[in-house]
Amino acid sequence: QLQLQESGPGLVKPSETLSLTCTVSGGSISSSSYYWGWIRQPPGKGLEWIGSIYYSGSTYYNPSLKSRVTISVDTSKNQFSLKLSSVTAADTAVYYCARLEGSRGDQWGQGTLVTVSS
Amino acid sequence: NFMLTQPHSVSESPGKTVTISCTRSSGSIASNYVQWYQQRPGSAPTTVIYEDNQRPSGVPDRFSGSIDSSSNSASLTISGLKTEDEADYYCQSYDSSNHWVFGGGTKLTVL
Repeated sequence: QLQLQESGPGLVKPSETLSLTCTVSGGSISSSSYYWGWIRQPPGKGLEWIGSIYYSGSTYYNPSLKSRVTISVDTSKNQFSLKLSSVTAADTAVYYCARLEGSRGDQWGQGTLVTVSS
Repeated sequence: NFMLTQPHSVSESPGKTVTISCTRSSGSIASNYVQWYQQRPGSAPTTVIYEDNQRPSGVPDRFSGSIDSSSNSASLTISGLKTEDEADYYCQSYDSSNHWVFGGGTKLTVL
């Protein structure tokens, strides 16, 4: 049974960098069948795609966030990570990691709330 | 890039049928697959429809999806509504650069 678990600080100061890791268990992140992605949801609002990565390292980023986002993969640890720089209160959200099969997110982590505040 | 527009909320009675629309602002709705996610409060989204009209295993056949090129929209139809269907529903598609787009979400109330 595939599981994804987000981890990282729940509180980040404005202007700093938000860093999250998604650990994949019960399956290999190196599978050629899947991409891996990050999606976020501000409190009380809708879903926003942040970006996606393939195990080889090729990435796709939301154009509105591209200048601040880096997604990377560590196949040896079966993990992929998100870095979002120069955060503001608008980046406060629940951050989800997900396995992407074709055009859909077929397995999601439980999500982790990151609050941007001093 | 394009946008996906959904009604903010819909409501219907148990046992009835409800349809949630998702209109693409530019480009053809048929160009890229549309997915639908259900999200209950405090939980991660789960797929109820993928590739326009495919149901993942475990999703009841009360859930169906379709696209309409004339209105450039996708639709999620839930028949035989149950109180457990009450949730937020999001449509999602992508562009030619593999950039995902989500609709704003629709709150379904079953009353």
